[in-house]
Amino acid sequence: DTEVTQTPKHLVMGMTNKKSLKCEQHMGHRAMYWYKQKAKKPPELMFVYSYEKLSINESVPSRFSPECPNSSLLNLHLHALQPEDSALYLCASSQGITGVGYEQYFGPGTRLTVT
Amino acid sequence: QKEVEQNSGPLSVPEGAIASLNCTYSDRGSQSFFWYRQYSGKSPELIMFIYSNGDKEDGRFTAQLNKASQYVSLLIRDSQPSDSATYLCAVGQNFVFGPGTRLSVLP
Repeated sequence: DTEVTQTPKHLVMGMTNKKSLKCEQHMGHRAMYWYKQKAKKPPELMFVYSYEKLSINESVPSRFSPECPNSSLLNLHLHALQPEDSALYLCASSQGITGVGYEQYFGPGTRLTVT
Repeated sequence: QKEVEQNSGPLSVPEGAIASLNCTYSDRGSQSFFWYRQYSGKSPELIMFIYSNGDKEDGRFTAQLNKASQYVSLLIRDSQPSDSATYLCAVGQNFVFGPGTRLSVLP
């Protein structure tokens, strides 16, 4: 089973709203990722958690706040977003982040529209 | 800066032909290489990974890795219209993605 789930599938929010994206995996993976993808562009790495600790933050604005409550769950809290933040938000997981042999699997994504 | 490059395409091939997708990377220390397929509006799907020099085959897909020349390629044999998608190359333990190649298989 290589399933990563994400909720919601679609989200429309105003610039003053606060919302959260959720991601879950039950593969025993210890690394989880958030990516942002704009149309016709590759996924752009935002955050990496390894063993529930934030490992990489790719200079993402503070209006995006990640949280890893446990090894299976990853949240992305959104606040005061801008219209240019509208994108497909992808969660992924892998067994680890160092060494060889760690394939990364993506969830279906959350399509976010900021109005 | 670690970079991964791919031809953006579109690459058009007739049904039944071999599609050849290429990827070059700048980080000589990279040891992990992945190919993802992404249909429009969907998330990337892992289709191949390769860690050692040479070829790796899985069904109609063959991944080829040449670390000395810093390139990795994906061959799709007997291409089908359902293979039409964007193919993303990802390199290294930080999964640095190339810009993707759009493949169109013409019936």
